[in-house]
Amino acid sequence: DQQVKQNSPSLSVQEGRISILNCDYTNSMFDYFLWYKKYPAEGPTFLISISSIKDKNEDGRFTVFLNKSAKHLSLHIVPSQPGDSAVYFCAASNNDMRFGAGTRLTVKP
Amino acid sequence: DGGITQSPKYLFRKEGQNVTLSCEQNLNHDAMYWYRQDPGQGLRLIYYSQIVNDFQKGDIAEGYSVSREKKESFPLTVTSAQKNPTAFYLCASSDPWGAINGYTFGSGTRLTVV
Repeated sequence: DQQVKQNSPSLSVQEGRISILNCDYTNSMFDYFLWYKKYPAEGPTFLISISSIKDKNEDGRFTVFLNKSAKHLSLHIVPSQPGDSAVYFCAASNNDMRFGAGTRLTVKP
Repeated sequence: DGGITQSPKYLFRKEGQNVTLSCEQNLNHDAMYWYRQDPGQGLRLIYYSQIVNDFQKGDIAEGYSVSREKKESFPLTVTSAQKNPTAFYLCASSDPWGAINGYTFGSGTRLTVV
């Protein structure tokens, strides 16, 4: 039962352009939504989160948008940099935390 | 520096053997978690512990066991009852605001059955 889904396993963008990573969820009881970034051979690191009562949260080049009616959230990275190349996990929390399968972002110079 | 240490990084197990994965944190976090990652799937929760001497099963606890005798340590034992143990295992910890500020993860242990 995948409550959090990332339907795009990979994404490739050019340096300087916008990266948009998408995530869908099924459980309307989630309180918070989070994005993690993972480099090879390392554990995921927390990137940004958003409360279910908000529709946007911004932190530097990273912005997360939440559309509760569509049960959809997205992470925008502007401008994208080669160092952003990693696997990005979407997660949603209530009593515990559920993760999507991840999207591998490649930013080409 | 505070963080989570998982060891070993790579582990090979023979069929029918039990193996124990180590997870130690010096972040003074009360809560600790074990996740399993398989290709094409999200991280799935095996066990979690909110406080010393207490732990709960996650979604895929069958074939695994844990203990939480110390705040800093949350070892995971993969028993011979686990039918498909080959995977990447991640340990995490959090403070009471982990749902908002995220969990802190270790670097993982890759377990392979040979």
